[in-house]
Amino acid sequence: KAGVTQTPRYLIKTRGQQVTLSCSPISGHRSVSWYQQTPGQGLQFLFEYFSETQRNKGNFPGRFSGRQFSNSRSEMNVSTLELGDSALYLCASSSTGNTYNEQFFGPGTRLTVL
Amino acid sequence: KQEVTQIPAALSVPEGENLVLNCSFTDSAIYNLQWFRQDPGKGLTSLLLIQSSQREQTSGRLNASLDKSSGRSTLYIAASQPGDSATYLCAVGLSGGSNYKLTFGKGTLLTVNP
Repeated sequence: KAGVTQTPRYLIKTRGQQVTLSCSPISGHRSVSWYQQTPGQGLQFLFEYFSETQRNKGNFPGRFSGRQFSNSRSEMNVSTLELGDSALYLCASSSTGNTYNEQFFGPGTRLTVL
Repeated sequence: KQEVTQIPAALSVPEGENLVLNCSFTDSAIYNLQWFRQDPGKGLTSLLLIQSSQREQTSGRLNASLDKSSGRSTLYIAASQPGDSATYLCAVGLSGGSNYKLTFGKGTLLTVNP
């Protein structure tokens, strides 16, 4: 079974631009979560989607948004990029939304904002 | 607010040594705890998942324990190898139905010297 895939793997943007990141979960997994990893703050929870609905959201500004499609693939969008948005963005999938199952992470998208 | 602390931040050991990584959390109302491994610039690889009702889990040379009452977990690595060199992350899964999310520690950087 294929793992979690994320595209693109690397992105370079400039301040003020917007960016869209994509995540394809493991086949059959319906829950997708997004995390931001920076050297200073570590891994921080952004949001979680289940069956196309955002169920949980972390403490990030409204510039960070996401969505999930009927095939469980998810996208994350960051508008009006700031230098501090440079980070590794990781998504994770799990098999169900109602039990607390193992989270499987993708390889991440490395975003650099210049 | 749940806080997760990992000690030590970095650890260097000779090959073949047994070692213990520590993780502590402030809120004992957890649903589960997951240990991950992260290689430089890569995503997270799940190592072990312990549900809150369990005391330990084992996989090969790895053994993780959980003591909810004291807010502690340990990851024991037996007969360490250079290939074990990586950052090890502890993540606590908070309860709350659809509010489930992982709260991560900052990690322990392990170096196993040949």
